[in-house]
Amino acid sequence: ETVLTQSPATLSLSPGERATLSCRASQSVGTYLAWYQQKPGQAPRLLIYDTSNRAAGIPARFSGSGSVTDFTLTISSLEPEDFAVYYCQQRTNWSWSFGQGTRVE
Amino acid sequence: DVQLVESGGGLVQPGGSLRLSCVVSGFTFRTYAMGWVRQTPGKGLEWVSSISGNGVHAFYADSVRGRFTISRDTPNNILSLQMNNLRAEDTAIYYCAKDRLDFGASWTHWGQGILVTVSS
Repeated sequence: ETVLTQSPATLSLSPGERATLSCRASQSVGTYLAWYQQKPGQAPRLLIYDTSNRAAGIPARFSGSGSVTDFTLTISSLEPEDFAVYYCQQRTNWSWSFGQGTRVE
Repeated sequence: DVQLVESGGGLVQPGGSLRLSCVVSGFTFRTYAMGWVRQTPGKGLEWVSSISGNGVHAFYADSVRGRFTISRDTPNNILSLQMNNLRAEDTAIYYCAKDRLDFGASWTHWGQGILVTVSS
């Protein structure tokens, strides 16, 4: 099983600041790395798929990058609605897994 | 619009069974893989199971393999998860999710979630 480790656990920032979230995989995941946003009481929302592709309707301030085992989600300028928990997720060898999440507060 | 609506959750005793259903609409069901993901209250997300668009290929997390069975009823647009021999650690909110493709490795749409509580 591929383990995803996200850092930091919590990111304390202000609106307008840049957020950089990290996700490290225990083995290569190719390009099958996605990012989700989750707010309290809501289902996760897909932001980025296949490392760097924005999902439908996702603002351009969200971007993804990385390869092999190291991936990054960047929010260029935080809006008030961006304060939430973010999860990375991968699929390798027909097994899917999530990171433990980063809270942006 | 794509919609996924789960049902079938509730309280069950350890060792008991429960069947979750997810009725979908707004897309061609047979074209997409589907999955179940759970979330322990206050904790993170855990993948449970996935099934291909044609229903032939199914995959399970180690924690549920042999106890849970995923299936799909294509004519009626229903995804199901049969959960047997339930344990306290299966207590979670269960989400059904639509894959981006037929196993595209990410989920574009999610249901609202259904709570399963395993307790005596």
